[in-house]
Amino acid sequence: GEDVEQSLFLSVREGDSSVINCTYTDSSSTYLYWYKQEPGAGLQLLTYIFSNMDMKQDQRLTVLLNKKDKHLSLRIADTQTGDSAIYFCAESGLGSNTGKLIFGQGTTLQVKP
Amino acid sequence: DAGVIQSPRHEVTEMGQEVTLRCKPISGHDYLFWYRQTMMRGLELLIYFNNNVPIDDSGMPEDRFSAKMPNASFSTLKIQPSEPRDSAVYFCASRPGQRSGANVLTFGAGSRLTVL
Repeated sequence: GEDVEQSLFLSVREGDSSVINCTYTDSSSTYLYWYKQEPGAGLQLLTYIFSNMDMKQDQRLTVLLNKKDKHLSLRIADTQTGDSAIYFCAESGLGSNTGKLIFGQGTTLQVKP
Repeated sequence: DAGVIQSPRHEVTEMGQEVTLRCKPISGHDYLFWYRQTMMRGLELLIYFNNNVPIDDSGMPEDRFSAKMPNASFSTLKIQPSEPRDSAVYFCASRPGQRSGANVLTFGAGSRLTVL
């Protein structure tokens, strides 16, 4: 079945880089996503990557995709206290045409000043 | 656009009571999703609709849960009767109905349900 796994917690110091990892099972996923959830709020899309890409960079965010190993990572450069949140990896599940996303458990990022 | 609107934001009720959560998707979005978030199980997809028609309700935990979408601008998730284990944050999300491209969901702020 479809499954997305992430580590639950990451703690870094302000100014360091953060790397959040994710593994997924559905090799047919066309897109993979990173969402951010701040306390008391819904999820917001951070970025996504098309499955035929290895890397995507967007300002401080870098997404790396290893399709062979079904491994996705999100790197946040120069992490700030405002980056403290829960980060969710997601895949489309049985192909993107179904319309649904399967989410990982979320990684809580704690940024220490 | 005001985004996806959910109500109530917080609900506290007693076991056995009926609970109705409401959602207004973004105008023009053809897909609507209901997710449940708990510490133990993370984010679970309960049901989703395409053009007001339920497509996949395999995530609905029990018959106590039901969801409707009577028109393109309104959906409800009902729990009757409610139980303490239903306590969670319930999110509604919507997306446009494009045939290809990224599946970008816009989430509401969530409804936090506490069943005593």
